[in-house]
Amino acid sequence: DADVTQTPRNRITKTGKRIMLECSQTKGHDRMYWYRQDPGLGLRLIYYSFDVKDINKGEISDGYSVSRQAQAKFSLSLESAIPNQTALYFCATSDASPSSYNEQFFGPGTRLTVL
Amino acid sequence: AQTVTQSQPEMSVQEAETVTLSCTYDTSESNYYLFWYKQPPSRQMILVIRQEAYKQQNATENRFSVNFQKAAKSFSLKISDSQLGDTAMYFCAFMKREDAGNMLTFGGGTRLMVKP
Repeated sequence: DADVTQTPRNRITKTGKRIMLECSQTKGHDRMYWYRQDPGLGLRLIYYSFDVKDINKGEISDGYSVSRQAQAKFSLSLESAIPNQTALYFCATSDASPSSYNEQFFGPGTRLTVL
Repeated sequence: AQTVTQSQPEMSVQEAETVTLSCTYDTSESNYYLFWYKQPPSRQMILVIRQEAYKQQNATENRFSVNFQKAAKSFSLKISDSQLGDTAMYFCAFMKREDAGNMLTFGGGTRLMVKP
């Protein structure tokens, strides 16, 4: 089984709808991240969380919210989706220990299309 | 804030040949990590190679190696003996080396096609 999973893998929705993207991990990592990928822009950080009680905004948090339900679960919500939120969304995790080399482990991504 | 620039949106190479992907970055930090990630058509992000800025020796992983020029803030990826499976998007990424953080700043990516 994959260490970092995302649901759904693909989603088409309409403008104004509320959407939740879910991320689960079995790696036991404290740190979790949400990124958005757009052509030519690479991946940009939306939100990150260092533990259940520590959530922080990233570079492009407007229009998004998150919830860290448990160490293993980190959800991203679009309260009222708009077409320019059409993108590929990635969840990632990392370990805070010095021996981890700060590597981030990515989920398979969610392709979101907002019509 | 850090910025990462990949100036080659697309590249192609013949199978078995060598190709170099360019990456430059801008930062005022002295301690940091640099990464190359591969994204094949499956969309999965795969770590290819990692370089710690305080190490002068260039990192290598099998057919993949980097040319790290700290003063020039350049971090290029060389792929030797290119294989069809190397066809993918490649992203260069920067991370500050500090206890709190681990956030990655990515470049815009280079799409590499390996031709038979």
